Parts: sequence; structure tokens; C-alpha cells
Amino acid sequence: DAGVIQSPRHEVTEMGQEVTLRCKPISGHNSLFWYRQTMMRGLELLIYFNNNVPIDDSGMPEDRFSAKMPNASFSTLKIQPSEPRDSAVYFCASRSRDRGYNEQFFGPGTRLTVL
Amino acid sequence: KQEVTQIPAALSVPEGENLVLNCSFTDSAIYNLQWFRQDPGKGLTSLLLIQSSQREQTSGRLNASLDKSSGRSTLYIAASQPGDSATYLCAVDNYGQNFVFGPGTRLSVLP
Repeated sequence: DAGVIQSPRHEVTEMGQEVTLRCKPISGHNSLFWYRQTMMRGLELLIYFNNNVPIDDSGMPEDRFSAKMPNASFSTLKIQPSEPRDSAVYFCASRSRDRGYNEQFFGPGTRLTVL
Repeated sequence: KQEVTQIPAALSVPEGENLVLNCSFTDSAIYNLQWFRQDPGKGLTSLLLIQSSQREQTSGRLNASLDKSSGRSTLYIAASQPGDSATYLCAVDNYGQNFVFGPGTRLSVLP
């Protein structure tokens, strides 16, 4: 398996622009998580899905952030409009909830810089 | 609300030493606990997962223990090597729905 795939790996954009981050979870995994990591706040959970359904989005910082999972093999995290304080590394992770609660596997992350 | 802390925040040891990293959590009603490694500029790599019914897990030179009642987990690294240098994070599976991460311990193993 190729693992969790994220794109792009790096994104530099100007304030006010729309940003879309993409994630392909490991095949067969039915839970997907979006995290944000910064030096100041560490690793924060933004939103997670079970079976393509958003379960908890309380970590999404503002209405500028939105996430979708149209099918089991694809998810997006959109920021519109982007602001400099959104600069961070965004990670996607997936796991299988079958046969108990199993370990999470992380993607390589997307490093976002908003100028 | 579950809170996870890790001590120490940073650790520097000479090669060959055995070391212990600590993780504490406030709510003992967890499903499992997972230890990760993160190299600079990289993603997180899963090291060990301990189910709530287990006391410890071992993988190579790594041994992780879990004491739910006291809200603690330790990661023991035997015979440390420079290649072990990284940030180690613990994550608590909170009510089987999501994970709450600690801030991490930055480890440097000096040759």
C-alpha cells in the first residue's frame, strides 16, 4: 500500500486566496482525520470523518475552513480566504475502525505558507 | 476534556544510553495509546500502539508501558543510537473517536 497520500506537499499563496489541500487515505480505512501542526500550538485535530461522515469539526478554527469527504478514497480541506496565521503543516491521517480501535497512519503533510 | 503532557520537553543523551520518555493524561477512560516518532520536516511514524487492556508493547529496542489508573505511559528506548534522534509524541485515543496528542519530547542522541 502507498500509505496516506497528500497533495500538494508545499503550497505558497497570498493572503485572501483560496487554498485546497487533498488527501487519499489508505485503502480500506474508514476513519480520516485532518490535523494542523504549528510550533506554538503543536498538533491539533481539526476534523474527523467516520465512513465519509463528519463526526466532530469542533477543531475547525473558523468558518473560513471547510472539509469534505465525497467518497471513501478522497478528502479535501479548504481555506477561503486564507490568512497569514493559517501558515502551518497540515496532516491527514487514516485508520480502520474494524476489529477494534487501531492505529492511525499519517500522510507526509502539506506545508502551507500564506504571505 | 482530555489533556496530554510529556516530560521532558527535550532530552540529550550520549549514544548507548537507555532512556525513558514520559506521557501523562488526565482522563483514564481511554481506548488505547499510541507512540509516534517525527523527524524534522517530516510526518509522523507510528511506533507502538497499546490497547487499554494491555500493560505494555515491545518492538525491537522500544518498549511502551501503560498504566491507565494513574494516567501514565512510558516509552523505553534501549541502547540509544544517533538515528533515534527525533521528536516523540504520545497520543491518547479519546473515547474511541479521536486522538489527543501531547506536545512531544525532542530527543538528541549524541555520537
